[in-house]
Amino acid sequence: QKEVEQNSGPLSVPEGAIASLNCTYSDRVSQSFFWYRQYSGKSPELIMSIYSNGDKEDGRFTAQLNKASQYVSLLIRDSQPSDSATYLCAVNGRSGGSNYKLTFGKGTLLTVNP
Amino acid sequence: EAQVTQNPRYLITVTGKKLTVTCSQNMNHEYMSWYRQDPGLGLRQIYYSMNVEVTDKGDVPEGYKVSRKEKRNFPLILESPSPNQTSLYFCASSLSFWGTDTQYFGPGTRLTVL
Repeated sequence: QKEVEQNSGPLSVPEGAIASLNCTYSDRVSQSFFWYRQYSGKSPELIMSIYSNGDKEDGRFTAQLNKASQYVSLLIRDSQPSDSATYLCAVNGRSGGSNYKLTFGKGTLLTVNP
Repeated sequence: EAQVTQNPRYLITVTGKKLTVTCSQNMNHEYMSWYRQDPGLGLRQIYYSMNVEVTDKGDVPEGYKVSRKEKRNFPLILESPSPNQTSLYFCASSLSFWGTDTQYFGPGTRLTVL
């Protein structure tokens, strides 16, 4: 059974700092990796996707993928109070060779303190 | 505006009273999926559909039914709801399941079964 594990948090950083969120996955066949942000009571919103080893940058966000280590991370630079949310790591593929789905980690709650 | 819509957004019902939660997308997406989100358990897939008339079970399908008669609609049916189905439900869709295709989430339906 494919699993996605995230550092449980909660994670608290001061405004302007770098927030680092980590995720490991167990299925070596997984090809696509996503970071979603979810505010309390709202739906998940995609902020980054990554498919190749290395870094991918988009504004203040950088996703890092290491398939050999089965590790995905998200860095948020110059963190803002509006970044306070739960961050979900997701991996797509076929779980146990059957259902096609995104498997989500349980999320890391990030709080950015002014 | 490209979007995934769900109705109703909030529902309180009683055990055993059949209900349907509708999901519709206007992006001509082939892949659609239902998730439930519970505290401490994260997002779990209920059912998914790769295309019209093609549906399959996710990780937690017990007590639910779905149908996909048209590409845009993917209703979730609870034939005899029970209190353990009290949860926050999300519908999601993507152009296809693979590669760079992003899953977009609906706004969620908060269901309470008494």
